[in-house]
Amino acid sequence: LAKTTQPISMDSYEGQEVNITCSHNNIATNDYITWYQQFPSQGPRFIIQGYKTKVTNEVASLFIPADRKSSTLSLPRVSLSDTAVYYCLVGDTSTYSGAGSYQLTFGKGTKLSVIP
Amino acid sequence: EADIYQTPRYLVIGTGKKITLECSQTMGHDKMYWYQQDPGMELHLIHYSYGVNSTEKGDLSSESTVSRIRTEHFPLTLESARPSHTSQYLCASRGTINTEAFFGQGTRLTVV
Repeated sequence: LAKTTQPISMDSYEGQEVNITCSHNNIATNDYITWYQQFPSQGPRFIIQGYKTKVTNEVASLFIPADRKSSTLSLPRVSLSDTAVYYCLVGDTSTYSGAGSYQLTFGKGTKLSVIP
Repeated sequence: EADIYQTPRYLVIGTGKKITLECSQTMGHDKMYWYQQDPGMELHLIHYSYGVNSTEKGDLSSESTVSRIRTEHFPLTLESARPSHTSQYLCASRGTINTEAFFGQGTRLTVV
């Protein structure tokens, strides 16, 4: 499983675009990049997943450069309700290759605080 | 809306008691997970399963045990609860090939 590095925390004003970058230097060929959002006292919730280039959905965009050693989650025009912890996960569970291959491990994440 | 359920939502229990936290999903997912998380802290994987009769320990050592006799059910048991087990326990499930994980509402356990 590829190790990821994210900023511990970020602050943003309401209405701004927020970009959270995740480094994953040892990403493997079959690995996907997935982002989750977690509010206090709740379980994480899936935001977006990608393999390369750009993915966009109704919530966010995910930018992945050609070397795939990093990825950036972009949240357009954040509001107070976007205050949460955001996790970047990298891995591949398409084939079983040992006891650890189906793990779903969350790191420390990035605590985003949106300021009025 | 995710079809994964945890019971109870809240539990206060005395030291030394045996407890079972229930987790059920109706999505037919083969992979299921248990996490432990203290307020404001990191989410730690304590157990996971990739199918019936498979269980594995996660990154964080835990005194709890799990079983996976049916696809939809993944209970977690503490044989003798201690105050150090006080935490929130989150259950999750995921289908095949890099699909998103769905989390239950969690069980907040307090051992007194």
